[in-house]
Amino acid sequence: AQSVTQLGSHVSVSEGALVLLRCNYSSSVPPYLFWYVQYPNQGLQLLLKYTSAATLVKGINGFEAEFKKSETSFHLTKPSAHMSDAAEYFCAVSEGNQGGKLIFGQGTELSVKP
Amino acid sequence: GAGVSQSPSNKVTEKGKDVELRCDPISGHTALYWYRQSLGQGLEFLIYFQGNSAPDKSGLPSDRFSAERTGGSVSTLTIQRTQQEDSAVYLCASSSYNRGFDEQYFGPGTRLTVT
Repeated sequence: AQSVTQLGSHVSVSEGALVLLRCNYSSSVPPYLFWYVQYPNQGLQLLLKYTSAATLVKGINGFEAEFKKSETSFHLTKPSAHMSDAAEYFCAVSEGNQGGKLIFGQGTELSVKP
Repeated sequence: GAGVSQSPSNKVTEKGKDVELRCDPISGHTALYWYRQSLGQGLEFLIYFQGNSAPDKSGLPSDRFSAERTGGSVSTLTIQRTQQEDSAVYLCASSSYNRGFDEQYFGPGTRLTVT
C-alpha cells in the first residue's frame, strides 16, 4: 500500500529564508509524486509533480522538489520565502498516469514571518 | 477556461438528514474524484470515476455514502442519515487524458456541517 509522511505539521520561516518541507513516501510501484498548495478557504492547487523523468522538478512560484529514490523522499524547497507563500502544503502519491486516487500526507502549514 | 465548480459552497444540516453535494468537472475531463478533508483525518479519497468504467468506491467510509456521475459529466455525492462525524470539506477534482490523468484539478469544496 502506498503512504506519505510529512514531517512537521507546522513550519515557520522568516521572509527571505529558505523553505524546506519534508515528504517521505512508501510505494511498491514506481510512484508519481505531487505537491499541492492550499490557501485559506480555497481548493488545492498543483505546485509540481514527479513522473519518472527528471529527478529535480521545478514548479510554480519558485518551488522545486527533488526525487531521491534511495531516501524515498520528495522534499519541497524554495530558496527565498515570500509572505504570499503562507499556506498549507500537501505531498501526495499515486500509482501512475492511468488516473486513480491520490494518497495525501497530513499537510504542513507554512507560516512566513516578516 | 472554467475550473471545477462545486455547489453548495456551504451546507448546514441536521443529524439524520440526507444531503447532496454537486460537482461540475472541467469540460472534457473524463476522470472525476471525490475527497474529504477533515481535521482529524486529513485528506481522504472517497470515490473515482473514469469514463464508462465501474467507479472505484474503495474510499467510501460507509454505505451511507454514494455517488453518481451522469452523462460522464456532473457528479453528485449523496450522504444519507448524516452523522456529526460527516462534517468536513468535500472536495471534487477532475483530470483528462490529454493533460496526463495524474494532474488533478480541484474545486473549492463544499463545507458540510452536521448539527
